[in-house]
Amino acid sequence: AQKVTQAQTEISVVEKEDVTLDCVYETRDTTYYLFWYKQPPSGELVFLIRRNSFDEQNEISGRYSWNFQKSTSSFNFTITASQVVDSAVYFCALSEYQAGTALIFGKGTTLSVSS
Amino acid sequence: EAEVAQSPRYKITEKSQAVAFWCDPISGHATLYWYRQILGQGPELLVQFQDESVVDDSQLPKDRFSAERLKGVDSTLKIQPAELGDSAMYLCASSLVRVGAATDTQYFGPGTRLTVL
Repeated sequence: AQKVTQAQTEISVVEKEDVTLDCVYETRDTTYYLFWYKQPPSGELVFLIRRNSFDEQNEISGRYSWNFQKSTSSFNFTITASQVVDSAVYFCALSEYQAGTALIFGKGTTLSVSS
Repeated sequence: EAEVAQSPRYKITEKSQAVAFWCDPISGHATLYWYRQILGQGPELLVQFQDESVVDDSQLPKDRFSAERLKGVDSTLKIQPAELGDSAMYLCASSLVRVGAATDTQYFGPGTRLTVL
């Protein structure tokens, strides 16, 4: 069975600190996709990144970076120089490789950034 | 930028009443998903459509929940009768490609927050 674990329930940092959100997944599939979504207080889930299991290259997008390590089944997310606007719940999710399959979400990590 | 629309944003109802939620996916998106998110948890799939057909409703409590996507565009999720345990956020998502193709990103609407009293 597929499972996503986000062990950090809540993280609090001060603005400009770097913060890493952990994600560990379980799947028997050899091919799969991993995702990160952001859920601000308004409630909608905002797509951040999709990564397939073939591609273990780390990715950077502005202040965001992702570290995918297949050997440890982890897909961690780092925010550099955090800002108050980064305060939200962040979800890691897993899906089968083919389209039309539901996302399996972790329980989320609540990030609070104070000024 | 195209978005998934949902209404209402908030709904308060008493138990045993009927409620309905509406979702309009991004234009052209073949696949539509309804997820339920209980406070403090990640979303969980309730039902999935490809065009007007149900692909997966294995987690839908069919004794009280129903969903339809009659013309393969917008969709309605209904609960009758509502129970206290149904209080949650109901999220709709859509994706462009059809089942069987290479996976695609699901884009989510703002959700409907349901409170059952």
